[in-house]
Amino acid sequence: DTAVSQTPKYLVTQMGNDKSIKCEQNLGHDTMYWYKQDSKKFLKIMFSYNNKELIINETVPNRFSPKSPDKAHLNLHINSLELGDSAVYFCASSQDERGVVGELFFGEGSRLTVL
Amino acid sequence: QKEVEQNSGPLSVPEGAIASLNCTYSDRGSQSFFWYRQYSGKSPELIMFIYSNGDKEDGRFTAQLNKASQYVSLLIRDSQPSDSATYLCAVGLWQAGTALIFGKGTTLSVSS
Repeated sequence: DTAVSQTPKYLVTQMGNDKSIKCEQNLGHDTMYWYKQDSKKFLKIMFSYNNKELIINETVPNRFSPKSPDKAHLNLHINSLELGDSAVYFCASSQDERGVVGELFFGEGSRLTVL
Repeated sequence: QKEVEQNSGPLSVPEGAIASLNCTYSDRGSQSFFWYRQYSGKSPELIMFIYSNGDKEDGRFTAQLNKASQYVSLLIRDSQPSDSATYLCAVGLWQAGTALIFGKGTTLSVSS
């Protein structure tokens, strides 16, 4: 059983389209994240949710809208896609204890290509 | 601005040698420190974590933490070609939210 699963794994779309990526974790973790990894392999935090509440919203265009229907799911919707949105998007989860950020468990990634 | 710095490499070592990977971080309040390995086209996987000053060993891997110098390192002994990957240093800070901040990664190449 996959711990953190994301769909789809590959997305190829045209500029201006809207797309969504879904993520689910079965680890019982309280915190979920979206990270973006660019072509130079830099992993950058986009959003963090703790028990369905938005905790971190880094400097991300408001075309990106996360939604967490429950603590096991965190989806990412992207409006009006641009060329620069092409990247691999990783969902992750963690269980943090006593104020210390714990290990991240990553999904397999969703490779988005905008043409 | 929280920052994690790593040399991008590539770091090239012969098979059987020790590979030394280094990382510095900017925020003194950082509390948890992780090394992830990422093969091309795959997701990052955890190699080691360390929370306290000193050394922590796990098989061929040793993580070292020096909070006074804001420095974390990973030593890989008896390097194997299968260790060739990008190694990501990540630092955790509990401040108005949670997230691991990653360095840009060091590419390691082990030649046989």
